[in-house]
Amino acid sequence: GNSVTQMEGPVTLSEEAFLTINCTYTATGYPSLFWYVQYPGEGLQLLLKATKADDKGSNKGFEATYRKETTSFHLEKGSVQVSDSAVYFCALSGVNRDDKIIFGKGTRLHILP
Amino acid sequence: ETGVTQTPRHLVMGMTNKKSLKCEQHLGHNAMYWYKQSAKKPLELMFVYNFKEQTENNSVPSRFSPECPNSSHLFLHLHTLQPEDSALYLCASSQVDFGTGTEKLFFGSGTQLSVL
Repeated sequence: GNSVTQMEGPVTLSEEAFLTINCTYTATGYPSLFWYVQYPGEGLQLLLKATKADDKGSNKGFEATYRKETTSFHLEKGSVQVSDSAVYFCALSGVNRDDKIIFGKGTRLHILP
Repeated sequence: ETGVTQTPRHLVMGMTNKKSLKCEQHLGHNAMYWYKQSAKKPLELMFVYNFKEQTENNSVPSRFSPECPNSSHLFLHLHTLQPEDSALYLCASSQVDFGTGTEKLFFGSGTQLSVL
């Protein structure tokens, strides 16, 4: 069945550092891929998505590229801010209309000033 | 503001109490979900409703009882819970992208439940 694996946290970085959070997936066909973010005390919000191979999703300085050959969708940001501290979830939606979104375990990110 | 409102934000209850969680969406979506978020565990999908009909129940214990009176409201009725049921309960609604078939989930802020 479909699955998502993302790097375990917590990840601690200094402000302005480069961020990578790894995500790989297992699925048949070409699923849609997502990154959701959960800020403290809130629910999850869609951060970015990509629906086909080589698509790049981007939002708020974050980027992720859909790599079919490596079944990956790594999240990157060139210069993180304290306000980026949150939990990040990689997710996928399968190719069948009845498929529900599957989430990774989440990676907690701490940015130090 | 995501358009999905959950109440209460926090709830403390004893194991013999009966309480209800409420979720309301103002987005015109036709699917609603309950998720359970526990520390150090993946998000667990509990229930799915499409057009007010329950389409998924992921082996959730009967002490959790969902209700969806219309496409904008979703409830989770709780009774005789256990301490291990303490978690953040998230409601979500979705809009299917008919072009690509993907679902975009919109989440509420959750109810933090503590069972004593």
